[in-house]
Amino acid sequence: AQKVTQAQTEISVVEKEDVTLDCVYETRDTTYYLFWYKQPPSGELVFLIRRNSFDEQNEISGRYSWNFQKSTSSFNFTITASQVVDSAVYFCALSEAFGRGSTLGRLYFGRGTQLTVWP
Amino acid sequence: EAQVTQNPRYLITVTGKKLTVTCSQNMNHEYMSWYRQDPGLGLRQIYYSMNVEVTDKGDVPEGYKVSRKEKRNFPLILESPSPNQTSLYFCASTQITGQGHEQYFGPGTRLTVT
Repeated sequence: AQKVTQAQTEISVVEKEDVTLDCVYETRDTTYYLFWYKQPPSGELVFLIRRNSFDEQNEISGRYSWNFQKSTSSFNFTITASQVVDSAVYFCALSEAFGRGSTLGRLYFGRGTQLTVWP
Repeated sequence: EAQVTQNPRYLITVTGKKLTVTCSQNMNHEYMSWYRQDPGLGLRQIYYSMNVEVTDKGDVPEGYKVSRKEKRNFPLILESPSPNQTSLYFCASTQITGQGHEQYFGPGTRLTVT
């Protein structure tokens, strides 16, 4: 069964601290996609990254970086030098590449991590 | 510009009064779906559609209906809303290719049922 676990419900940090958001997933498919979304207080979902299961190279985008480890089924997200504007709920999600019926194209979300960055 | 639109963005209604939340995409995607978001539960799929006239239940379909008469539109219908349907709703449109799934979300509809 497909499942995404974000064990951290809430995290609080002070500005300029580094913070890592954890994501662990389960799937039987050998090809799948992993996503991170940001949801600011305004409510919309902001796409951050999509990672294919066959590409384990870590990625860095400005202050954001992602560590994908297939061996531990984890796709962790690190914000370096956090800022107040990073305060949001962050969702990790999984989609199967070759799902059947109800699973094809569907996103399985974790429960989200509320990140608060204090000035 | 590729986009998914939802209307209304905010809605306060009373128990039992039928309502429809519209969703439209301009990308000619075949796959569309509806999610609801509740605190501490993440987003859960309500219904999805693989193409015109092809719809099926997701994880939490009770109390909802959908239709897909045109490729671009996928409305969510609450025939008799109840307070437990108070939630934030997202429509999504998905492009499924061999290189990956491109997911596009609408801006969300915040529904309150009193």
